[in-house]
Amino acid sequence: AQSVTQPDIHITVSEGASLELRCNYSYGATPYLFWYVQSPGQGLQLLLKYFSGDTLVQGIKGFEAEFKRSQSSFNLRKPSVHWSDAAEYFCAGETGANNLFFGTGTRLTVIP
Amino acid sequence: DGGITQSPKYLFRKEGQNVTLSCEQNLNHDAMYWYRQDPGQGLRLIYYSQIVNDFQKGDIAEGYSVSREKKESFPLTVTSAQKNPTAFYLCASSIWHGETQYFGPGTRLLVL
Repeated sequence: AQSVTQPDIHITVSEGASLELRCNYSYGATPYLFWYVQSPGQGLQLLLKYFSGDTLVQGIKGFEAEFKRSQSSFNLRKPSVHWSDAAEYFCAGETGANNLFFGTGTRLTVIP
Repeated sequence: DGGITQSPKYLFRKEGQNVTLSCEQNLNHDAMYWYRQDPGQGLRLIYYSQIVNDFQKGDIAEGYSVSREKKESFPLTVTSAQKNPTAFYLCASSIWHGETQYFGPGTRLLVL
């Protein structure tokens, strides 16, 4: 079955520290992969997406993600976290004409 | 200013009542989607529409209904058959089905 797993429910980092949020996928074929961010009570904003080609994808707000086929992963990274990055982050995947499958999310807390 | 709008921001439902959530987009997107978000469960697809006058059930369609009479609009009705309607409802659209989805700000539905 198609699925996306985010193993970390909650992560806390200090402001200025680096960040890595984990995402693993389970699909028959290489899926399209996405990272979205959600502030409390708001909709989802697209951070970045991977369709094909270069496995290192740059997104908005200084985020990047790397697709690793051998590990079935698409982890999100940021070299230096800002307090405004505190939010919930969702990884999602789809295979072409099929629907989008979301992970359960990782809540990021940033401490001063 | 292009985007997706959802109204109302908060909606209260009484027992046995049907309520309708509005979703409008001016992005000229063909495909539109409704998701339900519960704490710790990520997003689950309720219904989607690939084109005007067509829609398909998602993973949790029971107790919900939709219509797609206009390209810009995809209203969701939460019927009295939906026994646990309290959730955050998100609408999304994409240029066509399978392409990147963009989300509205959401509607929080509460039961009185």
